Amino acid sequence: TQTVSQSDAHVTVFEGDSVELRCNYSYGGSIYLSWYIQHHGHGLQFLLKYYSGNPVVQGVNGFEAEFSKSDSSFHLRKASVHWSDSAVYFCAVSASSNNRIFFGDGTQLVVKP
Amino acid sequence: GPKVLQIPSHQIIDMGQMVTLNCDPVSNHLYFYWYKQILGQQMEFLVNFYNGKVMEKSKLFKDQFSVERPDGSYFTLKIQPTALEDSAVYFCASSAGVENTLYFGAGTRLSVL
Repeated sequence: TQTVSQSDAHVTVFEGDSVELRCNYSYGGSIYLSWYIQHHGHGLQFLLKYYSGNPVVQGVNGFEAEFSKSDSSFHLRKASVHWSDSAVYFCAVSASSNNRIFFGDGTQLVVKP
Repeated sequence: GPKVLQIPSHQIIDMGQMVTLNCDPVSNHLYFYWYKQILGQQMEFLVNFYNGKVMEKSKLFKDQFSVERPDGSYFTLKIQPTALEDSAVYFCASSAGVENTLYFGAGTRLSVL
């Protein structure tokens, strides 16, 4: 069974700061790792995904994430956040053998002006 | 981008009544999902559906729940009868394939009184 852990429920930063949102997973097989963003009152929107190849994947709006097999992590980063980045961010994992996707509990990012 | 539409956006019903949540997935997508979101954060997998059949369901997908997509129309989640603990936001999602990105609707907020 896959599990996803997002250790920070809330992260608060100032506009222009860099941010890293943590995600750790546990699964022994071949998996897809993704990040989604949810603005208040809306559904989740895809940010980026990793399956194989370059462990650093680029997403929309300046986001990137780095896969680390040794740490079982897929942390999301942005070099300079904007107030509009305030949202809940979900890390997700799914096995390549099925399409059941597990989400972490989400990290609420608040960007102060 | 591709849109998943959910109707209605908010539904208020009395405990014990039946409710049907409707989802109009992206037109060429083949995989469909329902997720339940509680307290604005936890995204709990309910069920996924492919080729007219339930592929997987979680323990949250109680016997009172059912899904169908008759003749390519709406993908529906029916709860009969409803219980107080069914109050949540229900998100529909669809994808083109097993490894593809999920596209989410804006959710239906279900309030069971």
